Amino acid sequence: GQQLNQSPQSMFIQEGEDVSMNCTSSSIFNTWLWYKQDPGEGPVLLIALYKAGELTSNGRLTAQFGITRKDSFLNISASIPSDVGIYFCAGQLGSNYQLIWGAGTKLIIKP
Amino acid sequence: DAGVIQSPRHEVTEMGQEVTLRCKLISGHNSLFWYRQTMMRGLELLIYFNNNVPIDDSGMPEDRFSAKMPNASFSTLKIQPSEPRDSAVYFCASSSLTLGHTDTQYFGPGTRLTVL
Repeated sequence: GQQLNQSPQSMFIQEGEDVSMNCTSSSIFNTWLWYKQDPGEGPVLLIALYKAGELTSNGRLTAQFGITRKDSFLNISASIPSDVGIYFCAGQLGSNYQLIWGAGTKLIIKP
Repeated sequence: DAGVIQSPRHEVTEMGQEVTLRCKLISGHNSLFWYRQTMMRGLELLIYFNNNVPIDDSGMPEDRFSAKMPNASFSTLKIQPSEPRDSAVYFCASSSLTLGHTDTQYFGPGTRLTVL
């Protein structure tokens, strides 16, 4: 089946550091989405990308839709304690409603 | 506006018992997705509906699982009989065709199911 490779699996960073994570696939996607999941909650949409090359920001978060349409990255600048959680990428193929999900990147901020 | 509502938030049951999970969509949305999340397998799509019609149930593990949308705003996911390997967090998510982008799914808080 379709797969998204999300990396890294986990990140241990200091508060104030910048963070970068990415997703790649062998398939071409029409849409890339980035979600964040806090413990005990459902994933919450952070950024949606709809065009190849698109670069979109949401506060300290920036995400890009790769030119090849097979990858996307998410950057978080100047991380703060509330950034901890699991970040998921998801991609949509064609007009199918289904999303293909990455395995998640767990962000941990060292005290 | 109220988000996606799921109940119960936690369910502990014994193997062999019937379990019913409930989900209320965001008002005005017409697509519903049931997911299961485990440490081993991550987020798995079980089934999704559009306008109350099941579109793809290929992710439903086996006949023990069934899902319905008796009306446009409500859905149930039933497991009968339940087994320990069904223990997971079950999420529903809703989406809307009319808002232009069908891909933005809004998740509920999930139901944590433990089958003993």
